[in-house]
Amino acid sequence: AQSVTQLDSQVPVFEEAPVELRCNYSSSVSVYLFWYVQYPNQGLQLLLKYLSGSTLVKGINGFEAEFNKSQTSFHLRKPSVHISDTAEYFCAVTLGTSGSRLTFGEGTQLTVNP
Amino acid sequence: EPEVTQTPSHQVTQMGQEVILRCVPISNHLYFYWYRQILGQKVEFLVSFYNNEISEKSEIFDDQFSVERPDGSNFTLKIRSTKLEDSAMYFCASSEMGWEASTDTQYFGPGTRLTVL
Repeated sequence: AQSVTQLDSQVPVFEEAPVELRCNYSSSVSVYLFWYVQYPNQGLQLLLKYLSGSTLVKGINGFEAEFNKSQTSFHLRKPSVHISDTAEYFCAVTLGTSGSRLTFGEGTQLTVNP
Repeated sequence: EPEVTQTPSHQVTQMGQEVILRCVPISNHLYFYWYRQILGQKVEFLVSFYNNEISEKSEIFDDQFSVERPDGSNFTLKIRSTKLEDSAMYFCASSEMGWEASTDTQYFGPGTRLTVL
């Protein structure tokens, strides 16, 4: 079975600083990788996804993520964060072979301070 | 922009009671999901639904749970006899289902917080 680990439960940063949210996965088969964001009192919203091709994926709001197969990682990055990026971020996978269920990591609370 | 809606936003019930959580998926979507998140834990998959039948379900989705699409717009999750451990945020999601469902973006509703007393 697949699993997802987000190594940091909370990440505080100052506004305009760079940030990296870490995600590692384990699976015996190929996976598709997703990052979702949840703002307070809202549903989860897709930031970006990796299906195939270029390992660097660009998403909404200036976020990007890099798929590293050898390290089984899919870390999320942003070069300069804003107060409005404060939210919970979830890494998730689906199996490439069958099934569309998302398996989520624990989530990382990003707090951007002025 | 189309969005998934869920009602109610918060449901309080007594242990042993039946609850129905309601969702209106995005109108042209064909694949529907329920997930839940117990406080402090991961978001967990419960069930997926396609073409008026369950496509996949997790170990959590036992006989006390059922799903239904009673009309062309609603998608419901019923919990027949609630337990304390059913207290959680329940998320509905839908996807368009392109050529491969596992690659589709799932669009989530804001959730229903279920509290079982």
